[in-house]
Amino acid sequence: DVKVTQSSRYLVKRTGEKVFLECVQDMDHENMFWYRQDPGLGLRLIYFSYDVKMKEKGDIPEGYSVSREKKERFSLILESASTNQTSMYLCASSYRTGRYEQYFGPGTRLTVT
Amino acid sequence: QQQVKQSPQSLIVQKGGISIINCAYENTAFDYFPWYQQFPGKGPALLIAIRPDVSEKKEGRFTISFNKSAKQFSLHIMDSQPGDSATYFCAAENAGKSTFGDGTTLTVKP
Repeated sequence: DVKVTQSSRYLVKRTGEKVFLECVQDMDHENMFWYRQDPGLGLRLIYFSYDVKMKEKGDIPEGYSVSREKKERFSLILESASTNQTSMYLCASSYRTGRYEQYFGPGTRLTVT
Repeated sequence: QQQVKQSPQSLIVQKGGISIINCAYENTAFDYFPWYQQFPGKGPALLIAIRPDVSEKKEGRFTISFNKSAKQFSLHIMDSQPGDSATYFCAAENAGKSTFGDGTTLTVKP
C-alpha cells in the first residue's frame, strides 16, 4: 500500500520561529511536492523536487525553503514563521515522467500565533 | 493568473441526481487532466484522469468529458450518493507538475 507520511498532523508555532515540516514517501518516486491549501484557493504549489538535491520554485515560494537530501524525504522550512503562513500544508509524490497521479499525505495543519 | 478555473465553488445535489463540475484551462501544453477527491481530514486522492487524445472516460459512476478545442473538461457523477460528499479538485499537468483548480465542495443530500 503506497504511503506518504507527514511528520505532524497539527502544529502550533509562534511568529518568528523556524519551522520544519517533513514528508516521507515509500514508493521510490522521483518527484515530490509541497502545497498549501487554503479555503477557496485550492492547492498552491510552494516548491517541488524532481531528484535528490534538486528543487524548483512553485507558484508561492516566498518565505519558504526546501531540502531533499534523500530520495524518500522532502522537507519544507519556514525560516521565520509569520501569521499569514497559517494554513494546511500537503506533501505529495509522483513518478518523474508525468501523466501519473500524485499521492498525497494527510496534511499538516500549521497555526502561527 | 489562474491557469485552471473551476466551477461551481459549491454544489448541493439530491441523492440519485447528477453532479457536474466544470474546469477550463489556458495552457495548451497541459497533457494530463486528473480529478482528485478529498474527504475532511484527508489528503486528496486520484478519482479519475484523462489524456487529451480522448474525449470521454468513464469509471463506474464517474465520467470525465474533455473538449480540447474549447479547453474545457468536466466531471459528471451519476446517481450521486451521500458518500460522494467531498471536495473535488480538477488539475492539469505538464512535465510532471500539476496546476489545480480552486475546488468544489459537493454535498449530496439523502
